Amino acid sequence: EAEVAQSPRYKITEKSQAVAFWCDPISGHATLYWYRQILGQGPELLVQFQDESVVDDSQLPKDRFSAERLKGVDSTLKIQPAELGDSAMYLCASSSQGAVRSYEQYFGPGTRLTVT
Amino acid sequence: AQRVTQPEKLLSVFKGAPVELKCNYSYSGSPELFWYVQYSRQRLQLLLRHISRESIKGFTADLNKGETSFHLKKPFAQEEDSAMYYCALNDDKLIFGTGTRLQVFP
Repeated sequence: EAEVAQSPRYKITEKSQAVAFWCDPISGHATLYWYRQILGQGPELLVQFQDESVVDDSQLPKDRFSAERLKGVDSTLKIQPAELGDSAMYLCASSSQGAVRSYEQYFGPGTRLTVT
Repeated sequence: AQRVTQPEKLLSVFKGAPVELKCNYSYSGSPELFWYVQYSRQRLQLLLRHISRESIKGFTADLNKGETSFHLKKPFAQEEDSAMYYCALNDDKLIFGTGTRLQVFP
């Protein structure tokens, strides 16, 4: 069964360092999402791609976060510089439809980031 | 602002007892709601969506527009139902609640 892949699974970094996460969606899924999940909270959307275009990045802290999906397949989320408050689980998800009602999102295992 | 509220962080029941996980929402329009579940050491996955009016693993959820609620119910809890449950609202993006951990004791 096809799954969303993410790497690394765990990342420890010092504040002010750069960190990058990678996501490979389910083959054929045009829509890709990056979420941040702080401990004790639900996932919060950071950025949504439709193919290689950004559809929604309203919650992405653009001064330090960037995301790309150059060929409309896999995606990278970068943080530079990392801050202590960035410690969280970063989830990637994909779906076969965009902002269409009743779509199902398939989630990856997440990358747990700890900033020290 | 669009919002999803799950008032209970933890719900503990014994096997065979009824379960109701509460979800309230704030949305100006016709809402579309989902329940996602995360079992231990597994990925977050869709459990059910209100538009389908389906029963999955014995769980059902009815949209009550008057009470702006979408509570998740199961008449007889099983140990394997122990998990984190998230209610989510579609506002051209998913808005998740803070989640409720369900513990089912033998």
